[in-house]
Amino acid sequence: EVHLVESGGGLVQPGGSLRLSCEASGFTFTNSAMDWVRQVPGKGLEWVSFITADSTTRYYADSVQGRFTISRDNANNELYLQMDNLRAEDTALYYCVRETGQQVDSYFFYYMDVWGKGTTVTVSS
Amino acid sequence: SYGLTQSLSVSVALGQTARIPCGGDSIGGRNVHWFRQKPGQAPVLVIYGDTKRPSDIPARFSGSNSGNTAALTISGVQAGDEADYYCQVWDFNTWVFGAGTKLTVL
Repeated sequence: EVHLVESGGGLVQPGGSLRLSCEASGFTFTNSAMDWVRQVPGKGLEWVSFITADSTTRYYADSVQGRFTISRDNANNELYLQMDNLRAEDTALYYCVRETGQQVDSYFFYYMDVWGKGTTVTVSS
Repeated sequence: SYGLTQSLSVSVALGQTARIPCGGDSIGGRNVHWFRQKPGQAPVLVIYGDTKRPSDIPARFSGSNSGNTAALTISGVQAGDEADYYCQVWDFNTWVFGAGTKLTVL
């Protein structure tokens, strides 16, 4: 069975750092692009960052660009999110998400098909 | 940046059909995905690529996408369908989510 388990969340002061981890199992991690998505309690979903299976391409939301770094360790089936210079508005539940691709005619499209249960980050003094 | 517009809430009587729209500029030219999120749970994919259903999602769930509106339709609504529903598209190296629609089953 496919599983994604996040860890590393916690309480941190503004300006501080945290490193989130996501342990993947039940599928070939090295073949999958991955994302981080966050959600402020009671609010909607916000995409944070994306990384390709081979780590050659990474994208970030404008709100975290320059402060967050996504990375992965394919040998150990782990996804990471290094969060620096944290702000109060970064307080949220952070989900690790797998992407899957599908070919339609001559092109591929991708979608998020598996989500972890999330880890909570609280930025407060 | 690309924006997706969803109604804040939709109400439907038990057993009836719910339609949850998602508006966006020429959204018909994009692949739209839909997620269901129940309180305290992670989102679950219910429709991908406009109209496709994951194998564990019942056929009561269907999707459409044309022009400036995509929609998620749930037929024979059950009490367990009460949840928040989010549409999503990919736009120039960014995933964009709608603000979500709360489906209430009367």
